[in-house]
Order: sequence, then C-alpha cells, then structure tokens
Amino acid sequence: DIQMTQSPSSLSAFVGERVTITCRASQKIATYLNWYQQKPGKAPNLLIYGASSLQSGVPSRFSGSGSGTDFTLTISGLQPEDLATYYCQQSYDSPPSFGGGTKVEIK
Amino acid sequence: QVQLQESGPGLVKPSQTLSLSCNVSGDSITSGTYYWSWIRQPAGKGLEWIGRVYASGNTRYNPSLKSRVTISLNPSKNEFSLTMTSLTAADTAVYYCASDGWELEYWGQGTLVTVSS
Repeated sequence: DIQMTQSPSSLSAFVGERVTITCRASQKIATYLNWYQQKPGKAPNLLIYGASSLQSGVPSRFSGSGSGTDFTLTISGLQPEDLATYYCQQSYDSPPSFGGGTKVEIK
Repeated sequence: QVQLQESGPGLVKPSQTLSLSCNVSGDSITSGTYYWSWIRQPAGKGLEWIGRVYASGNTRYNPSLKSRVTISLNPSKNEFSLTMTSLTAADTAVYYCASDGWELEYWGQGTLVTVSS
C-alpha cells in the first residue's frame, strides 16, 4: 500500500498569512493526488484534484502543486473560514490512501 | 449535482453485522460516471477507505477489511450498500459514502456507527 505523510500535523497562522502544507507519498504517484478540506462536524470537501486542478466553486486562494512523491497545498491569504483539517489522498493505486491530516487554526 | 445520503443503525452490538445504505440522487449508480465508495473516520482520527463498487457490480476492497466487507448495488432504489461483519469497538466511526472518479467528489453527510453492548 502507498503511505501518505503530511506535515505539519497542525499549524496556527494569522488571517491573511500564506500557509503551506506538504504531502509525501511513499512511492511515485505522478499527479494522482487530491486535497480535501474537512470542517468540524462536516464531511470532507474536495479542494484540489490531479495535484493542481481547482475544484469548481473553491476559492482561488487555494492552490496545489507537485508530482511524483512531493506535493504542496497553499492557501495564499488565510481566511477565518479556512479553519479546518486538510487531507491529501492518492488515487494512483488501490487502496486509495489518505495522509494523517493537517489541522489549521487561526491565531 | 450529485447528492448522497447514508442511512442505517447508529448502534450495533459487538460481533454483529452492520448494514448501511447510501441513496444517490442526481446520477444513476449504473451510468458508469462514477464508482461508489465507502470511507470511515473514527472520532478525532483520519480517513480510511473501505471499498468501492463499480457500475458493473464489481468491487474492490481495502485489504485490511476485505474479509469482513461487502459492497453492492441496488439499482432499483439507486442505492449502494455496505455490509460489515464481526464488528468490534474499533469499528466505531462516522461512515461516509462518496462518488469516486479518481477523486472523491461528492460525499454524504456521514452517519455515526457506535459498536457497543
């Protein structure tokens, strides 16, 4: 199985600050990497698919990059409503697997 | 817009079998547009993919759960279902259904399943 490792596990940042979350795969997965946002008590919501494609309706301050084994989710200008846990997920091979999550808090 | 809604018991006794259904609207589960997946999340923990069913009825499961899980289609109700046997406290989690097409685009709101006597 492909292991997905996210860092950091949590972070705290000011409104307006640029936030970066990284995700590393245990083997190459091309760009079969998705990012989800999960707000407290809610289902995950797809933000980015194919490593860098923005899902319809998602604010443009969210962006994704990377290929192979190393990926990044960037929030360029953190907003109060971005309080959530963010997960990466590989869809290169079965079983699909998720990173452990990054909890984003607002200072 | 595809919408999914999970249903099933909130409380199951240890060693018993869990049966959950996911009703889909906005697309036919046999259209082939998506696969249909189940994912679970223990309280305060991360996400675990359980398995998926294809429009053909073929299935793929997480090897860690394969011996206890069955996912199937019910086209007449436009639903798909999850059956999990031999439950233990470790299976206590929120269970989600989702559309699956390389990415998990649409999700149900989730249903909490507690395994307890």
